[in-house]
Amino acid sequence: AQKITQTQPGMFVQEKEAVTLDCTYDTSDQSYGLFWYKQPSSGEMIFLIYQGSYDEQNATEGRYSLNFQKARKSANLVISASQLGDSAMYFCAMREGLKDTGNQFYFGTGTSLTVIP
Amino acid sequence: KAGVTQTPRYLIKTRGQQVTLSCSPISGHRSVSWYQQTPGQGLQFLFEYFSETQRNKGNFPGRFSGRQFSNSRSEMNVSTLELGDSALYLCASSLAWGSGGSMRNEQFFGPGTRLTVL
Repeated sequence: AQKITQTQPGMFVQEKEAVTLDCTYDTSDQSYGLFWYKQPSSGEMIFLIYQGSYDEQNATEGRYSLNFQKARKSANLVISASQLGDSAMYFCAMREGLKDTGNQFYFGTGTSLTVIP
Repeated sequence: KAGVTQTPRYLIKTRGQQVTLSCSPISGHRSVSWYQQTPGQGLQFLFEYFSETQRNKGNFPGRFSGRQFSNSRSEMNVSTLELGDSALYLCASSLAWGSGGSMRNEQFFGPGTRLTVL
């Protein structure tokens, strides 16, 4: 089974509108971390936001927020007030708890976001 | 603080050749991970090194190998290149367990090395 599932290969959003990118995860660990990364066309992965499995509040970082629903195992990224520079690939990733997997991150297949002027 | 650097940025090789890619992590980071990114497969984990030891390895053939030096710099090597090895190879560094790390420690990625095999 896939550890991280992103079901939206491509999304379009009007500039200044909000958009939600979906991510579901699969783990039997109680302790895990969820991450979102942005990858512009230049290729470099940029860290956006983190949510820990024990965090009671949804994470927020500027225009980015994470809608964390633990029981449903979902960690959707919400981008508010979209800007043209938000056009990029977005990846959801997970690090599981203390086990012999070391520091391995599991990545989803990504969602390509296009912001329309 | 300088970011993760990878060299070279672009590489063109022919089938059967071998290649070595280099990654210098952020100062103080002892964990270095390598990923292969292709349009069809997304990001695939290759391996992770911590304190010069390979801690974990993904599902790749033995042609893919790596190492880490005492200064945490890492190299990965691909021998007997195949057309399917054409990809963007990303290196990521982070703090990790045993070095004051926590679940929160994100991986910082380098710009990648784009390898084309002809």
